[in-house]
Amino acid sequence: DQQVKQNSPSLSVQEGRISILNCDYTNSMFDYFLWYKKYPAEGPTFLISISSIKDKNEDGRFTVFLNKSAKHLSLHIVPSQPGDSAVYFCAASAKTGANNLFFGTGTRLTVIP
Amino acid sequence: ETGVTQTPRHLVMGMTNKKSLKCEQHLGHNAMYWYKQSAKKPLELMFVYNFKEQTENNSVPSRFSPECPNSSHLFLHLHTLQPEDSALYLCASSQDWAPITIQQYFGPGTRLTVT
Repeated sequence: DQQVKQNSPSLSVQEGRISILNCDYTNSMFDYFLWYKKYPAEGPTFLISISSIKDKNEDGRFTVFLNKSAKHLSLHIVPSQPGDSAVYFCAASAKTGANNLFFGTGTRLTVIP
Repeated sequence: ETGVTQTPRHLVMGMTNKKSLKCEQHLGHNAMYWYKQSAKKPLELMFVYNFKEQTENNSVPSRFSPECPNSSHLFLHLHTLQPEDSALYLCASSQDWAPITIQQYFGPGTRLTVT
């Protein structure tokens, strides 16, 4: 059973608007979360991460929010740009003593010019 | 070459063939990883190598055999695969292995089709 779920396989957003990508997890031991972005024919690239001691982490246009009680995190991109069109994966692990990193199935974001 | 490279990019093999996937990282990292991504499934971590030593094997069938001769090169030897092994195989590297949440740098992947 998947421990990290991205229930929206795709999302379309107008350029300049906010993109919100969601991710849910089931394992309460997870304490570190990452987002990766993947363009076609390329490997995933790291985007942003958050530790469970925080509920928000911001890097430029990208902000990740963590709601531990709901076991939910989201990635906000604002303003969205056509170059943000890609597949976004969230991943989670227990940072200490972990031997595995669990990924979601990804959400394909299309930013419409 | 910079970053993480993988060869070949595409591979078609029969179930009785033996082939190898190659990964090379030019980042001076100490840890390397093999992942599998099947259609509509999440990335699954297969193997982890730290300083050439295998640290993790996530219940991967023995028809997949990794080899890490040095910190820059990682191979995945394939033999007697099944059609359900068709997937995108991604290699990644990171500065160190622990914690596993450390930022990883991925190669473009090898698209494998088993006929």
